[in-house]
Amino acid sequence: GQSLEQPSEVTAVEGAIVQINCTYQTSGFYGLSWYQQHDGGAPTFLSYNALDGLEETGRFSSFLSRSDSYGYLLLQELQMKDSASYFCAVTPHDYKLSFGAGTTVTVRA
Amino acid sequence: DADVTQTPRNRITKTGKRIMLECSQTKGHDRMYWYRQDPGLGLQLIYYSFDVKDINKGEISDGYSVSRQAQAKFSLSLESAIPNQTALYFCATSDPYKGDTQYFGPGTRLTVL
Repeated sequence: GQSLEQPSEVTAVEGAIVQINCTYQTSGFYGLSWYQQHDGGAPTFLSYNALDGLEETGRFSSFLSRSDSYGYLLLQELQMKDSASYFCAVTPHDYKLSFGAGTTVTVRA
Repeated sequence: DADVTQTPRNRITKTGKRIMLECSQTKGHDRMYWYRQDPGLGLQLIYYSFDVKDINKGEISDGYSVSRQAQAKFSLSLESAIPNQTALYFCATSDPYKGDTQYFGPGTRLTVL
């Protein structure tokens, strides 16, 4: 099985940069994904890393290091609408996706 | 129109009742999933299906069953609901050519009294 760990909460001010780390234990996987979920809403896809390195999508970037069993999501130029929960997930070789417990990001004015 | 729809959106039922949650998609994806989310927790995979004739158990399938009626339809049943099945249930599809990116429905909030 897979085990993913991420911080439970992060608070930052508008305009700041936030990094959400995700460490995992898995025997093998295709990639690491990140999803955003606003309170009561459906998770929506943000980013996917199949290879080591940085993937940039607008204000959001995601990073993966397979050798360190570690990834992160970087949120830049934080806006109030970025207040949400963020989940990392691995796609293992048997396709039974595993999600982390989520990180609640609170953006303050 | 939404690509992945779920019915009902909210349901309150009593212990021992049989409940069916339905999911439909217009994305044309073969892969469909059912997840459960408890407050403050991540998503747990209940069942998944890669085509109409393929059904697989996830990590928490006990107490649940599924039916894949067509490529576009995937239903989740609780044969005899119990209070600890109170949760938010999400259906999803995925595109294997995009890293198995998950596309979620709006969710069904189920309360078992």
